[in-house]
Amino acid sequence: KAGVTQTPRYLIKTRGQQVTLSCSPISGHRSVSWYQQTPGQGLQFLFEYFSETQRNKGNFPGRFSGRQFSNSRSEMNVSTLELGDSALYLCASRRTSGSYEQYFGPGTRLTVT
Amino acid sequence: AQSVTQPDIHITVSEGASLELRCNYSYGATPYLFWYVQSPGQGLQLLLKYFSGDTLVQGIKGFEAEFKRSQSSFNLRKPSVHWSDAAEYFCAVGPFSGGYNKLIFGAGTRLAVHP
Repeated sequence: KAGVTQTPRYLIKTRGQQVTLSCSPISGHRSVSWYQQTPGQGLQFLFEYFSETQRNKGNFPGRFSGRQFSNSRSEMNVSTLELGDSALYLCASRRTSGSYEQYFGPGTRLTVT
Repeated sequence: AQSVTQPDIHITVSEGASLELRCNYSYGATPYLFWYVQSPGQGLQLLLKYFSGDTLVQGIKGFEAEFKRSQSSFNLRKPSVHWSDAAEYFCAVGPFSGGYNKLIFGAGTRLAVHP
């Protein structure tokens, strides 16, 4: 079974631009969560989507948003990029029925210049 | 508030030596606990998990972890380390009551293995 896939793997953007990252969960997994990883703050929860609805959201500004499609694929968007948004963005999927473990993709490395 | 502490930022061991990585958590209810490993430039790979039952859990790559409620700990162990185990290891707790399905991670322990 294929794992979680994320595209693109690397991105370089300029301050003020916006960016969209994509995540395809493991087949059959209906929950998708997003995390931001930085050297200073570590791994931080951004949000979780299930059945095309945002269920939970971490402590991030409104510039960070996401959505989930009917096939469970998810996208996250960051608008008006700031230098501090440079990070590894990780997507994780979960089966949801009697399962709590999350499986992570390889991440998208975003660099804001 | 929920939190996870990994007291050791860096650990260096010799190949073939035993390993123990420490993890302490703070959570009022019965926790779900995880250990993940991250190689440079990669995502997180799930090593093992504890939900309930036997407090000694086995994972992949020869790792095991022991849940000790009295010490709020979930330490990761391996009897003999291989050079390929060099990576960063993260302990995590979650999800939480009310359907709050997020993981809270520790800061990580970077493991170096000497030949």
